Parts: sequence; structure tokens; C-alpha cells
Amino acid sequence: SQTIHQWPATLVQPVGSPLSLECTVEGTSNPNLYWYRQAAGRGLQLLFYSVGIGQISSEVPQNLSASRPQDRQFILSSKKLLLSDSGFYLCAWNIVGPQYFGPGTRLLVL
Amino acid sequence: QQQVKQSPQSLIVQKGGIPIINCAYENTAFDYFPWYQQFPGKGPALLIAIRPDVSEKKEGRFTISFNKSAKQFSLHIMDSQPGDSATYFCAASTHNNNDMRFGAGTRLTVKP
Repeated sequence: SQTIHQWPATLVQPVGSPLSLECTVEGTSNPNLYWYRQAAGRGLQLLFYSVGIGQISSEVPQNLSASRPQDRQFILSSKKLLLSDSGFYLCAWNIVGPQYFGPGTRLLVL
Repeated sequence: QQQVKQSPQSLIVQKGGIPIINCAYENTAFDYFPWYQQFPGKGPALLIAIRPDVSEKKEGRFTISFNKSAKQFSLHIMDSQPGDSATYFCAASTHNNNDMRFGAGTRLTVKP
């Protein structure tokens, strides 16, 4: 069966520091991968999606970037975090059909 | 722009009640409509989904009603329980599912 992992689970970072969040999927090949951000008590905002290695589409321009160095690995990065980057970051995957979400990373920027 | 509108924002019902959450979409190319359930601090989990070739789909206590002409769909939870207290998201996408758009979510509280 397929499993999606995210780490770290929680992260507290100072403003201006770099960021790297990792997502990996097991049990499938060539999945579509997604990064979402969820602000407290709010809906899901799609940040990036990827249909293959090295292929990244950005939905919202901001100081975040994404990379897909391997088929089942998706990384969300920032060179300098802003206060507004705080939130709950969710990775998701699918082939054809519904998206399946990981457990999320809670990021607090102070 | 918000392509999927969800209401209400929050909902409180008594145990055994039937909460109803409504969603409306704009893009007529959407042809897949899932509902997700999210508990605090967890990722959303797929609950039930429907395609527009049927008007209703039931899985256990959860039912989706779909009205293609009105571009609306809704989630009904029969015999609701305190354990159903969570945030529910509707979503819509085209057949390739990598353009999924989510509603803003409904926070449901089921009181014992």
C-alpha cells in the first residue's frame, strides 16, 4: 500500500532563516506531488505541484520554492522565511483519482 | 478567484442530528467531487467522492447529493456522533485531478 511521509512534524524558525521541508511517497511510481499551505482555521492553498522529476508548477508567487530531485521526493524550500510563512504545510500525491495527504508540518516563524 | 464556495463556515449539531454542508462550483469542466475530513493537527483524509453521472452516493453514514444543473453538491452525515467533530472540505477537479480546488472548510461540532 502507498504511504506518504513528511518531516519534520513541527518546526520553529526565526525570521530570515532558511527552510527545507521534505515529503516522500512509498509504494507507487511516478506520482503527481503537491504542496499546500493551510493557515490556522482556513482552507487549503495550493503552492506547487509536480508531474515528474524536475517538473515544478507554481500556483502562487512567493518566497518559497519546490524541487523534485527523485521520483517520490518533493522538497519545499525558502532562502529567507517571513512571518507570513507560518502555517500548516501539507504534501499530497495522486496518480489518477483523489489526492492523498501526508500528516503535515506545522511551521511557526518567530 | 474562489472556484468552490463552501457553507456554512461552522456548524453545531446535537448527537444524532444530520448536519448538511453545501458546496457550489463554477467551472463546468469539473467532473470529480471529493469530500475530505480533517482532525486537528492531521492531514485531510478522503471521506467520499462522486462523479456527475450520479445524483447521490452513500457510504455508511455519509451521503453526497449532486445537482449538476445547479452546479451544487452537499454532504449529509446521518446519525452524527461526537467523533464526527472535524473540519470538512469539499473539492472539485477535472479528470486528471491535478487541478483540484478546495472549499474553505466547515468546522463541525457534534455535541453529546
